[in-house]
Amino acid sequence: QQQVKQSPQSLIVQKGGIPIINCAYENTAFDYFPWYQQFPGKGPALLIAIRPDVSEKKEGRFTISFNKSAKQFSLHIMDSQPGDSATYFCAARGSGNTPLVFGKGTRLSVIA
Amino acid sequence: GAVVSQHPSRVICKSGTSVKIECRSLDFQATTMFWYRQFPKQSLMLMATSNEGSKATYEQGVEKDKFLINHASLTLSTLTVTSAHPEDSSFYICSARVTGRRGYTFGSGTRLTVV
Repeated sequence: QQQVKQSPQSLIVQKGGIPIINCAYENTAFDYFPWYQQFPGKGPALLIAIRPDVSEKKEGRFTISFNKSAKQFSLHIMDSQPGDSATYFCAARGSGNTPLVFGKGTRLSVIA
Repeated sequence: GAVVSQHPSRVICKSGTSVKIECRSLDFQATTMFWYRQFPKQSLMLMATSNEGSKATYEQGVEKDKFLINHASLTLSTLTVTSAHPEDSSFYICSARVTGRRGYTFGSGTRLTVV
């Protein structure tokens, strides 16, 4: 049973566009929701993260929107660039020293 | 800060041999290390959780005798793939949670190819 559902599986946008990646979760015990960026052959790198008591968080060109009642959160990338082409994973974590649960990933291609 | 150094980045081994992957926390103490496996174009799958000084906890379906995890110190955790077979070829990634923070830091991954 997948605990974090991510969509779309792949996404192509033009340079300057705003790709949006969505995730949904079921476990209401989750209290930490990060987004990771992964380039081929590299480990995931933390982009931005949010707690459930906040509805939106922005860091540079990356914004997380969080809807606690709907149990959904999304990543927006403003003014996307070809260098943003990568795989993006949403994740979630419950309390305590528990591991992250990952979505299946979204392969983003930003074309010039 | 909070860097996890993972080595080797890439290894090719013959079928039947063993391979050791190391993850070191460089500037913090990693009481817990998580080991993931990632197949091409797929998500990260948790294999096991290791706590310093105790036995690792393996996820269902992961052979603990095949994937030996040692976490003998607060700065070093190792994953040994024993008697490797071609189906063990994958990308292995370690991750640690930094004490006192919510964030997790990941190693750069190890591409294992068994021939």
